[in-house]
Amino acid sequence: DIQMTQSPSSLSASVGDRVTITCRASQGISTWLAWYQQKPEKAPKSLIYAASSLQSGVPSRFSGSGSGTDFTLTISSLQPEDFATYYCQQYNSYPFSFGQGTKLEIK
Amino acid sequence: EVQLVESGEDLIQPGGSLRLSCAASGFTFSSYEMNWVRQAPGKGLEWISYISTSGTTIYYADSVKGRFTISRDNTNNSLYLQMNSLRAEDTAVYYCARKRGQLRANWYFDLWGRGTLVTVSS
Repeated sequence: DIQMTQSPSSLSASVGDRVTITCRASQGISTWLAWYQQKPEKAPKSLIYAASSLQSGVPSRFSGSGSGTDFTLTISSLQPEDFATYYCQQYNSYPFSFGQGTKLEIK
Repeated sequence: EVQLVESGEDLIQPGGSLRLSCAASGFTFSSYEMNWVRQAPGKGLEWISYISTSGTTIYYADSVKGRFTISRDNTNNSLYLQMNSLRAEDTAVYYCARKRGQLRANWYFDLWGRGTLVTVSS
């Protein structure tokens, strides 16, 4: 099974900051990686798929990159609505697995 | 409106059984592969089961294999999760999630329900 490791586990930042979250797979997954955003008491929402493709309707301040084992999610200029928990997910092979999450908090 | 709505929330004793449902609307349910994902209180997301469009291909996470059964009814646009031999560690919010498509890049989950809470406790 493929293990996904995100860093950091939590992050404090201010509105307008640029932030980067990293995700590492325990083995190569090509670009079969998605990023999700989850707010408290809400379902996850897809942001990025195929490592760098933006889901329809998602603001362009979100971007993803990487391939193989190392991936990043970048938010170019944090907005108040971006404070949430972010998860990466590999969909290279079942069992699909998620990272442990990165909680983005207001500084 | 395109949506998934889970139901079946309950408090169950350890060793008990429960069936969750997920009602799909606003899209052609029979054309989409489906999954169940759970989230224990204060914890991260855990994928637990997958079913193909026809129901002929099914996968489970090791944590639920042999205890949970996924199924679907394409006539009634519904997905199910039969949970047996429930344990305290199965306590979680259970989400149904749609796999976007059959192209390789689209195997991620583009539509999620709001979730239903299962509590296993004596």
